[in-house]
Amino acid sequence: NAGVTQTPKFRVLKTGQSMTLLCAQDMNHEYMYWYRQDPGMGLRLIHYSVGEGTTAKGEVPDGYNVSRLKKQNFLLGLESAAPSQTSVYFCASSLGLASSTDTQYFGPGTRLTVL
Amino acid sequence: AQSVTQLGSHVSVSEGALVLLRCNYSSSVPPYLFWYVQYPNQGLQLLLKYTSAATLVKGINGFEAEFKKSETSFHLTKPSAHMSDAAEYFCAVSPSGGYQKVTFGIGTKLQVIP
Repeated sequence: NAGVTQTPKFRVLKTGQSMTLLCAQDMNHEYMYWYRQDPGMGLRLIHYSVGEGTTAKGEVPDGYNVSRLKKQNFLLGLESAAPSQTSVYFCASSLGLASSTDTQYFGPGTRLTVL
Repeated sequence: AQSVTQLGSHVSVSEGALVLLRCNYSSSVPPYLFWYVQYPNQGLQLLLKYTSAATLVKGINGFEAEFKKSETSFHLTKPSAHMSDAAEYFCAVSPSGGYQKVTFGIGTKLQVIP
């Protein structure tokens, strides 16, 4: 049981390049999330999914796209990277809604630098 | 709208001393409240959460937090700090019903001095 895994761990891009970050979970969770973490700002939600084939915008969705073709995978795409997208990206998953018995699990993060 | 304020971006304590990390929240509805810990180069891990049951919540690694509605606070405490507690701690708030609605604080880095 690996939990939530993220690929790659590190990446350096040039402005204008594209890339896809992969998140995978093996807990059969319905909900998956992408966050970015920047110094002094806490985590901010980019996009999320409440089930296979669904996606929704979070707080800071501009410049990103997502897809959830398989229940266990949630992909985050940057079509044309900008220096402002330099950040640490975290994926998370949960069984469903926040409750006394449900917990959100986080991946180890992807550190992205855009030059 | 909801928000979280963590007082003190850096806190230093001596090994064996009380750990107190402060969190105040605002929420227009009864909130769910969370504390997460993040070790270097790792993702967030849930320490504890309040979901409108008991106001004193016990979590992992000896941490606990008390929900005080009158003070809109959810401070995190541990009686005796260990070196392994050195990490960054995040307080978060959500209206009941969805992790997609969670608002995170900016974090408090805890340093434990031997």
